[in-house]
Amino acid sequence: DAKTTQPPSMDCAEGRAANLPCNHSTISGNEYVYWYRQIHSQGPQYIIHGLKNNETNEMASLIITEDRKSSTLILPHATLRDTAVYYCIGHLYNFNKFYFGSGTKLNVKP
Amino acid sequence: ETGVTQSPTHLIKTRGQQVTLRCSSQSGHNTVSWYQQALGQGPQFIFQYYREEENGRGNFPPRFSGLQFPNYSSELNVNALELDDSALYLCASSSRTGSGTEAFFGQGTRLTVV
Repeated sequence: DAKTTQPPSMDCAEGRAANLPCNHSTISGNEYVYWYRQIHSQGPQYIIHGLKNNETNEMASLIITEDRKSSTLILPHATLRDTAVYYCIGHLYNFNKFYFGSGTKLNVKP
Repeated sequence: ETGVTQSPTHLIKTRGQQVTLRCSSQSGHNTVSWYQQALGQGPQFIFQYYREEENGRGNFPPRFSGLQFPNYSSELNVNALELDDSALYLCASSSRTGSGTEAFFGQGTRLTVV
């Protein structure tokens, strides 16, 4: 699985878009990019995943660069409840295990 | 909320004891993975079970063992508990789909070893 690099922390004002970057320069062609978040001491919550194309669901949007070396998770209107640690994971489809890094602690402030 | 449930939610054990943690998987999922999350760190992969067989293991000693049952629920057993085994233990049930792996986590079991 590709090693991913994320900033350790970010701040965002409530109601504004939160843009969380992830570098995965060693990602292989058949590795998906997954995003999970973990709110204090709870289990990780699935957000979104993608392979090549940009993806959007009810929670967030995922923008993957054309060379697939980096991606950005966008929470369009952050709320205080979005305060959490966000994990970007490069995941091989053939293996069902996920390798978590340290993630980004997103602090949404009023 | 996911359909993955773990029990118990909290547990206190004494060093040297044995512990069994349980996980019921999401309906339709045939794979269960276990993770250990120490305070302030990301979850670390312990092992995975697919159709009742171990299907991959992380860097954990043999005193960490598991089982998967015909209904795809699973147990994690830890023998000879050490203080460093204190952590949040997470179970994830998953299944491959046409657009990647679908994986959902339970809320975890907080194990404290004293």
